[in-house]
Amino acid sequence: EDKVVQSPLSLVVHEGDTVTLNCSYEVTNFRSLLWYKQEKKAPTFLFMLTSSGIEKKSGRLSSILDKKELSSILNITATQTGDSAIYLCAATGTASKLTFGTGTRLQVTL
Amino acid sequence: GAGVSQSPSNKVTEKGKDVELRCDPISGHTALYWYRQSLGQGLEFLIYFQGNSAPDKSGLPSDRFSAERTGGSVSTLTIQRTQQEDSAVYLCASSLAPGLADEQYFGPGTRLTVT
Repeated sequence: EDKVVQSPLSLVVHEGDTVTLNCSYEVTNFRSLLWYKQEKKAPTFLFMLTSSGIEKKSGRLSSILDKKELSSILNITATQTGDSAIYLCAATGTASKLTFGTGTRLQVTL
Repeated sequence: GAGVSQSPSNKVTEKGKDVELRCDPISGHTALYWYRQSLGQGLEFLIYFQGNSAPDKSGLPSDRFSAERTGGSVSTLTIQRTQQEDSAVYLCASSLAPGLADEQYFGPGTRLTVT
């Protein structure tokens, strides 16, 4: 059975700090790893990483895929209160569905 | 363009009643997915449609749950004889073409409360 595990479960940081969120996966015939940000109900797409695109960056957010270690990290630099959310990691493989981790709850305080 | 839309946004129903949840995917997206998120839990896959066919129904928790998609567009998730454990946020997502473009875009969800 496909599995995605995220750590830490929750994190509280001060505005301006840099954070690293972790994700590991066990997926049959792995195809892609995706990061989402969930503030209210709908997860918002952040990044997708595949064998042909193992590093992505957008502004203060960046993500790297380590296919050897079956893991990914999401980095957020110079955090802001607006970054407070649940960050979800998901993977696809043979099945087209996304297998999600339980998420990391990030709280950024002033 | 418009994103994924879902209706209703909230639904409160009595135990034992049937409910229908609707999803309108992004225009042109051939794949449609239903997920469920219970309080404090991650997203749980329910069913996947490619066009009007459902090649993967493996996540439907019981035979009280069914879904259909018509015209390669709108999908309806039906829960019969609702139980309290069905209370959750039901999220719909669509993607352009699985295997070619795996990014799934989510709707705002329907919060279902069974009393």
